[in-house]
Amino acid sequence: EPEVTQTPSHQVTQMGQEVILRCVPISNHLYFYWYRQILGQKVEFLVSFYNNEISEKSEIFDDQFSVERPDGSNFTLKIRSTKLEDSAMYFCASSEAYREKNTGELFFGEGSRLTVL
Amino acid sequence: RKEVEQDPGPFNVPEGATVAFNCTYSNSASQSFFWYRQDCRKEPKLLMSVYSSGNEDGRFTAQLNRASQYISLLIRDSKLSDSATYLCVVNNYGQNFVFGPGTRLSVLP
Repeated sequence: EPEVTQTPSHQVTQMGQEVILRCVPISNHLYFYWYRQILGQKVEFLVSFYNNEISEKSEIFDDQFSVERPDGSNFTLKIRSTKLEDSAMYFCASSEAYREKNTGELFFGEGSRLTVL
Repeated sequence: RKEVEQDPGPFNVPEGATVAFNCTYSNSASQSFFWYRQDCRKEPKLLMSVYSSGNEDGRFTAQLNRASQYISLLIRDSKLSDSATYLCVVNNYGQNFVFGPGTRLSVLP
C-alpha cells in the first residue's frame, strides 16, 4: 500500500540551528501538507502546497518556515532558526486531487519528532 | 470561539459499551467532515468521512447536523483496540483541514 514517508524520525538540535524535515508524499497525490503537534496538544495546520506553490498557510507558518519541492518526489519543511517552542512532532500529509475527487482523505506520514534544546 | 470543538474527555468505558463523541464547528461554510483516529504518539488516520445523510461503517456511525453545526461519532460494542484519540476534522473546500483537539477513549477490560 502506498504511504507517505518522513525522515528523520527524530532530530535533536540546538536553538538557533536550521532544520530540514523531509517527506516523500504518495506518488499520484497533488496536494501536500505540513502539520505539527506539540506534545499533548492538537494537530495544527502549518501549510498546504499545490502546483509548486503554497496554497494556504497558517499564522504559525511565519518567516522562519519555508517549504520546497526540490524534485518530483520530495517535499521539505525548513525551519531557519529553531526556537524551543518549535519542539513538536511534524507530520507531512498528502491527498489526491481534492476538488475533483472530493475524497478529503489526508494520508499522514509517521512524523518527525523535533527536539530543540 | 474555536473553529472545531470536541468533548474534552477522556472517556473510560468497559468493553462492549456504546460511546458517543460530539463535535461542533464554527464555520457555517464548512463543506467536508471527517473522523480521524490517532493512537498514542502515532499519526492520525482516517476513520470515516461524514456525509449529510449520516453513514455507518460496521460498529461506527457518524452523523452530521449542518443546521446545528454538529457532528457525532457513535461506537457500538467497544473493543479494547478502539482505545485511541478521536479527532474531528473539518474542511472548507480550501486546503486547510482543521483538526479538533480530540477526545481520548480508553476501553477497559
